[in-house]
Formats: sequence, structure tokens, C-alpha cells
Amino acid sequence: EPEVTQTPSHQVTQMGQEVILRCVPISNHLYFYWYRQILGQKVEFLVSFYNNEISEKSEIFDDQFSVERPDGSNFTLKIRSTKLEDSAMYFCASTSYSNQPQHFGDGTRLSIL
Amino acid sequence: EDQVTQSPEALRLQEGESSSLNCSYTVSGLRGLFWYRQDPGKGPEFLFTLYSAGEEKEKERLKATLTKKESFLHITAPKPEDSATYLCAVQAVDTGFQKLVFGTGTRLLVSP
Repeated sequence: EPEVTQTPSHQVTQMGQEVILRCVPISNHLYFYWYRQILGQKVEFLVSFYNNEISEKSEIFDDQFSVERPDGSNFTLKIRSTKLEDSAMYFCASTSYSNQPQHFGDGTRLSIL
Repeated sequence: EDQVTQSPEALRLQEGESSSLNCSYTVSGLRGLFWYRQDPGKGPEFLFTLYSAGEEKEKERLKATLTKKESFLHITAPKPEDSATYLCAVQAVDTGFQKLVFGTGTRLLVSP
């Protein structure tokens, strides 16, 4: 069964450093998302991406964040200057149509020191 | 603001002891309600989508139902492998690209 793949599974970074989280969505999907889950809290929406542009973003997704689909298979989330409060599990999701279920990867655990 | 509240926060069952999880929601217009299962250290795994009040979906020991204000996930004769966190999420009609708004989940532990 096709699945969403995320790398790395765990990323440890010094505060102020840039980090790039990578995702390979399911191949025929057109809509892509990033969510995050701080330990013990709910899964929160960050951004949605369709047709090579951001379609919606939350208030969490400030100027330090960016997303990119550099080729036909990868979808990345970049945090330019990481903060301690960016420590969380980051999930990538994709779907074929906007009203269909979103399928999630197993996440990248980001730890900021 | 769209909101999802799940109860209970945690539930402990004996194997074979049926129960229900609740998801109450407030949304401007419901496009869809989704149930996911999340195992420790993993991403949410899709279970069901419900689109309109009165709709029901079943899969093995799980059955999801929907009313205009809440959804229930019924677990019949659970097994230890059903232990997980169950997440409820809603999509509103006024979000163009269908972000999900999640509840905090119910942690289910089924003992043999």
C-alpha cells in the first residue's frame, strides 16, 4: 500500500540553526500538508500546498517557515532560524482530492537544543 | 473558531469489554469528520470519514457514527491490539483546501 515517507525520523539541531524536513507524498496525490504535534498536545495544522503554491497557512507558520516542492516527488518544510519552542513532531500528509482523507507519514521528531 | 473536544482523555478496558469514545465538534459548516488511530511514535492512521448526520461506517471491531454535534467511535469486544490513541478531526466547508482540526484524542488501553 502506498505511504507517505518522512526523513529524517529524528533531527537534533542547535537553536538558531536552519533545518529542512523532507517528505515524499503518495505519488498520485495533489494536495500536501504539514502539521505539528508538541509532546502531549493536539495535532496542529501548519500549511497546505497545492499547484506549487501555499493555499492556506496557520498563524504558527510565520516568516521563519517555508515549504517547497523542489521536484515531482519531494515536499520540504524549512525552518530558517529554529527556536526552542519549535521542538515537536512534524507530520507530512497528502491526499488526492481536498475532501478525501489525508494520509500521514510517521513524522520527524525535531529537538532544538 | 472550529473546535473538537474528545472524551474521555483515557480509557482502560478489559479485553472483550465494549465501549464508546466521544467526539464533540463546533464548526461553521461540516464538510467531513475523520477518525484516525495513532500508535506511539507514529503518524495518524486513517480509519473513517463521515460526511452527514446519520451516517455510519464499520471496520472490524470499530463503528463510527455521526450526529449534528458529535461523533462516536464504538469499540466492540476490543483486543489488546486495539490499544492506541484515537483522534477525531473535522474539516469545515469554509476552509478552501481542507485543513484538519484535531481533538486531543482518547488514549485507549485494552488489557488481556
